[in-house]
Amino acid sequence: QVQLVQSGAEVKKPGASVTVSCKASAYTFTNYYIHWVRQAPGQGLEWMGRLNPNSGGTNYAQNFQGRVTITRDTSISTAYMELTGLTSADAAVYYCTREGAATGDHWGQGTLVTVSS
Amino acid sequence: SYELTQPPSVSVSPGQTARITCSGDTFPKKYAYWYQQKSGQAPVLVIYEDAKRPSGIPERFSGSSSGTMVTLTISGAQVEDEADYYCYSTDSSGNHRGVFGTGTKVTVL
Repeated sequence: QVQLVQSGAEVKKPGASVTVSCKASAYTFTNYYIHWVRQAPGQGLEWMGRLNPNSGGTNYAQNFQGRVTITRDTSISTAYMELTGLTSADAAVYYCTREGAATGDHWGQGTLVTVSS
Repeated sequence: SYELTQPPSVSVSPGQTARITCSGDTFPKKYAYWYQQKSGQAPVLVIYEDAKRPSGIPERFSGSSSGTMVTLTISGAQVEDEADYYCYSTDSSGNHRGVFGTGTKVTVL
């Protein structure tokens, strides 16, 4: 069955960068967009951006423009989301999700990012 | 920036019908998607392209669209439907920027 498996929890200091990975399995990675979504504690879902794994093309939310970079390694069916200049406001659970038959038809398990000095 | 507006909360008795609305200026030009999120879990897609139901989603979940508002309806709500629900769509910028609604807490009691 389709699976998206994300990397483990991270603890970062303010000003640092974090990279979260999302490994896809049981489907052709390059056929479907990957989106990144985050959720701060007690808050709603926030769309960050999406990746075309075939071309490497990306679209980013205006709120994250210049701070987020989404890339991929097609040889290992893995997408990456890097967020720079971390502040306490970036503490959240980060999810990857696939745009298959529909946007968000499969989700990763989430990666908790803690930002603390 | 583009926004999708939902009511903060909806309460319903078991077996009754819950309706969750989502307002946005790019409806009906852009499709709406609905996600259910239970506490501590990843979201689950329950409706896509306004009114289509993924396999495995109970028939009591349905979606509709009218003008600049889309609606998720839970007909005969069950206790296990208690969750947060989010609508999702894209803006009209041509840059495919996604946006989630503000979220609605559905309480079944």
